[in-house]
Amino acid sequence: DAKTTQPPSMDCAEGRAANLPCNHSTISGNEYVYWYRQIHSQGPQYIIHGLKNNETNEMASLIITEDRKSSTLILPHATLRDTAVYYCIVRPPMTTDSWGKLQFGAGTQVVVTP
Amino acid sequence: DGGITQSPKYLFRKEGQNVTLSCEQNLNHDAMYWYRQDPGQGLRLIYYSQIVNDFQKGDIAEGYSVSREKKESFPLTVTSAQKNPTAFYLCASSVRIMNTEAFFGQGTRLTVV
Repeated sequence: DAKTTQPPSMDCAEGRAANLPCNHSTISGNEYVYWYRQIHSQGPQYIIHGLKNNETNEMASLIITEDRKSSTLILPHATLRDTAVYYCIVRPPMTTDSWGKLQFGAGTQVVVTP
Repeated sequence: DGGITQSPKYLFRKEGQNVTLSCEQNLNHDAMYWYRQDPGQGLRLIYYSQIVNDFQKGDIAEGYSVSREKKESFPLTVTSAQKNPTAFYLCASSVRIMNTEAFFGQGTRLTVV
């Protein structure tokens, strides 16, 4: 399975953009990049996902490099409520053994400060 | 409202007892998942189910059992064989295709004393 590497923590000032990096150098051509976040003691919340093109929704933007070996999640105007652990996940290819699984790493603890 | 519900939010059990955690969804999703989370750690997959009456072991299935008799329900039993059962348990569901998101419940915090 492809794995991801994220920094363990990062701080961001309220109102500024937060850029969260993720390395996934062994990603396969048919694997999607997903981002989730988890506020303390709650279930993870889906943010965004993409394959090769950049994606944007009401929560964030996802920038995937042309070689697909890394990506960046952008929170355009961070608020205090964005303080959470952010997980970058590569969804594995469809096989009998690994179909549908989301494999979570340790993620990045983002702290938004006033 | 559509969603995925886990109950109870907090659960206490004595060591050596089996305990069943409930997970119900009304999203009409085929696939359902159980994850375990320990303090400061990411989520680890216990079991997952693609369709009714079918389920597969995840990475840490030992000491756990599941059933999938109805599309809406995917209960998890933590048996006495699970050596470290105290953890935060999360259930999720998704449509049965690859490139869609999974929706998570709010979790059950199990404490075994």
